[in-house]
Amino acid sequence: GDSVTQTEGPVTLSEGTSLTVNCSYETKQYPTLFWYVQYPGEGPQLLFKVPKANEKGSNRGFEATYNKEATSFHLQKASVQESDSAVYYCALSGGGSNAKLTFGKGTKLSVKS
Amino acid sequence: GPKVLQIPSHQIIDMGQMVTLNCDPVSNHLYFYWYKQILGQQMEFLVNFYNGKVMEKSKLFKDQFSVERPDGSYFTLKIQPTALEDSAVYFCASSLQGRDSDYTFGSGTRLLVI
Repeated sequence: GDSVTQTEGPVTLSEGTSLTVNCSYETKQYPTLFWYVQYPGEGPQLLFKVPKANEKGSNRGFEATYNKEATSFHLQKASVQESDSAVYYCALSGGGSNAKLTFGKGTKLSVKS
Repeated sequence: GPKVLQIPSHQIIDMGQMVTLNCDPVSNHLYFYWYKQILGQQMEFLVNFYNGKVMEKSKLFKDQFSVERPDGSYFTLKIQPTALEDSAVYFCASSLQGRDSDYTFGSGTRLLVI
């Protein structure tokens, strides 16, 4: 079945430093790839998605490129802020009209001022 | 933006009793999902539902679980009977389409089985 592996947390950074959260995936289909963010007490919120290989998605300074050859979708941000503290999930939707989301285990990010 | 509403936000129930978790999806969405998250762990797929039918379910979707959405009402997850290992946060999600669609999640129902 489909699987997603991402950087194990927690990750603690100082404000203004750069972030990389690694994500790799396995699927036999042609997935759409997602990054979701979850704040305490809330459900996951879509950060962005990329349906096609070799394209980049971005939102709020975060970005990731769908690398089909490497089966990777690493999340990056050049300069994190305290408000970025949250849990980040890499996910894929594997295919079919009723495809489900398969999530990675999540990476908890804490940003200190 | 559009929201998914989950009721109740918290529920404590005695082991063996029945519980129903309610979800009010985004109004024009057609696909509905339940996910389970044990504290601090991964979001795990339980089931998805379209056109009045279960489309796919995982191994976590035990025989004690059932879902339905009577016309125009909540999308519900019923657990009967509950077990201690059912304690978790249950997230409902909905999407307009299946694949490639934006999934909108609710804030979850925190279920504690004692």
